[in-house]
Amino acid sequence: DQQVKQNSPSLSVQEGRISILNCDYTNSMFDYFLWYKKYPAEGPTFLISISSIKDKNEDGRFTVFLNKSAKHLSLHIVPSQPGDSAVYFCAARSSGAGSYQLTFGKGTKLSVIP
Amino acid sequence: GAGVSQTPSNKVTEKGKYVELRCDPISGHTALYWYRQSLGQGPEFLIYFQGTGAADDSGLPNDRFFAVRPEGSVSTLKIQRTERGDSAVYLCASQEIAGPTDTQYFGPGTRLTVL
Repeated sequence: DQQVKQNSPSLSVQEGRISILNCDYTNSMFDYFLWYKKYPAEGPTFLISISSIKDKNEDGRFTVFLNKSAKHLSLHIVPSQPGDSAVYFCAARSSGAGSYQLTFGKGTKLSVIP
Repeated sequence: GAGVSQTPSNKVTEKGKYVELRCDPISGHTALYWYRQSLGQGPEFLIYFQGTGAADDSGLPNDRFFAVRPEGSVSTLKIQRTERGDSAVYLCASQEIAGPTDTQYFGPGTRLTVL
């Protein structure tokens, strides 16, 4: 049973426009959420995170929004650049789980078209 | 500084053989995690070390999988009697302090192929 779901396997966006990547979760114990970016043949790289006590976190071109009632989060990239083309993973964890292991979605492949 | 490194980058083995995968975490990081990423899936948790001890091994799929971290730094993931279903990318991540908001830094992974 997928506790973190990314329902869009792929997304294509024109350079300069906004990219919106979506993520849903089912486990109400999750209280910390992260986005990782992955290029081929490399490990995932941390991008941005948000605690469940917030509904928005911004870092440069990247903003993550959290809607706890809907168990939904989204990553906005604006403006999108060709170098943003990668697979984006949504991940979640529970502070109550002692190991702080991450539960990942299946990823969304973003292609930014020049 | 140096990131998380993993060796080998690729490993091809035959069904039934034994393999060892190595992870060198970022210096000074006390927490270390192993994940496995199968084709088309996100990484899935296998085991977590705090220092030398395996604090959570609930993600190991069966007793063919074992991991050690004898000196609290380098870790080795060991797979006995490999099966074709073990083929995946094995990712290691380290974390400075095991805490809910501390970032996990991933290595490039070892791609294991079992023929």
